Amino acid sequence: ETGVTQSPTHLIKTRGQQVTLRCSSQSGHNTVSWYQQALGQGPQFIFQYYREEENGRGNFPPRFSGLQFPNYSSELNVNALELDDSALYLCASSPGQGSLDYGYTFGSGTRLTVV
Amino acid sequence: AQSVTQLGSHVSVSEGALVLLRCNYSSSVPPYLFWYVQYPNQGLQLLLKYTTGATLVKGINGFEAEFKKSETSFHLTKPSAHMSDAAEYFCAVKRAGKSTFGDGTTLTVKP
Repeated sequence: ETGVTQSPTHLIKTRGQQVTLRCSSQSGHNTVSWYQQALGQGPQFIFQYYREEENGRGNFPPRFSGLQFPNYSSELNVNALELDDSALYLCASSPGQGSLDYGYTFGSGTRLTVV
Repeated sequence: AQSVTQLGSHVSVSEGALVLLRCNYSSSVPPYLFWYVQYPNQGLQLLLKYTTGATLVKGINGFEAEFKKSETSFHLTKPSAHMSDAAEYFCAVKRAGKSTFGDGTTLTVKP
């Protein structure tokens, strides 16, 4: 098992800019989910991809978008950054289609600061 | 809609004492329930999960949790706290692939 790796670990961007966060899922895990964790709060579901298609989305605006690639990697893109986007962004992978009773394997996250 | 409430944002116990972290959920259908632990500057690690079957589930590091449908609860316990248990703990409910997390409970273990 290689686990879930995320890059970069820390990032500082300016309000209005765009950012791309990257994730490499655990081998064999074809479902990837992205979460936003603000300071002092639990993770909030952004969206989920299964076999390169989005199959679930939380209450986040369209400027949050994603991609999943055949090699178990994925991206989270955020356009027009706002100060409130400052958070820890977590990537989580799981086997199956995400609707089954699997727990997630989480990466260590990317700490995004918007100034 | 589903939601999770973790009672007590901070819990402090002495080393060797019982750990009890409370979680109540609401869900329109029977959910899958999970507990995760998060150490500083790290992602979440799965402790245990309840899906079907036995309502008392055992996890890693000596933790266990009991699913009580009548109380809509899934409290996490450990008989004897260790210093290494100090971390933040999250309860989560999962339906249709989407997990909803509570706001977490920070566990402090005093020597």
